[in-house]
Amino acid sequence: DTEVTQTPKHLVMGMTNKKSLKCEQHMGHRAMYWYKQKAKKPPELMFVYSYEKLSINESVPSRFSPECPNSSLLNLHLHALQPEDSALYLCASSQRGGSYNEQFFGPGTRLTVL
Amino acid sequence: AQSVSQHNHHVILSEAASLELGCNYSYGGTVNLFWYVQYPGQHLQLLLKYFSGDPLVKGIKGFEAEFIKSKFSFNLRKPSVQWSDTAEYFCAVTLLDTGFQKLVFGTGTRLLVSP
Repeated sequence: DTEVTQTPKHLVMGMTNKKSLKCEQHMGHRAMYWYKQKAKKPPELMFVYSYEKLSINESVPSRFSPECPNSSLLNLHLHALQPEDSALYLCASSQRGGSYNEQFFGPGTRLTVL
Repeated sequence: AQSVSQHNHHVILSEAASLELGCNYSYGGTVNLFWYVQYPGQHLQLLLKYFSGDPLVKGIKGFEAEFIKSKFSFNLRKPSVQWSDTAEYFCAVTLLDTGFQKLVFGTGTRLLVSP
């Protein structure tokens, strides 16, 4: 299995809602990542988990809350989002953090905040 | 701050034409370099990567890239493009000083290949 899967594919939520995005990989990778990609822009890193510990938080607002319950699973909890948070949220994984590692990307969750 | 520049934002080619997409990065230390492709409606896929060794790297689908350390460049090439190469291409870099964990993307190049 060489895939990173993400659910849901699409999500529409209001500004007062609480929702979660899910990412899963079964490649035995120990580093997992969340990126945000706005239309016609490159992906921007949000969070990095390495061996289930948060290692990088790119000054992301607290309305985004990541969680890594185990080495295969990565969640992104969303609460009180703003319309400008609408974007494609990408998950990626790599064998481990560090050099000589390539990241494998999932298809993304397209989020619309009303 | 470290950055990755892709000077060609849009490229239009006819089938069988040769392709070269430019990528430059601003970081003087050790880097890992990548080219990713995003086909319409599909997820990001790795085309090729450079970690160390031979600066000319070959990737999937006939793509290759050359790392020129003195020019801080990692240009992508393909001798003869096909209609199916229509996609967005991102150059990306990971840096030693972030433990190679932070993947920094260039702004992307949209390639349109006309049949």
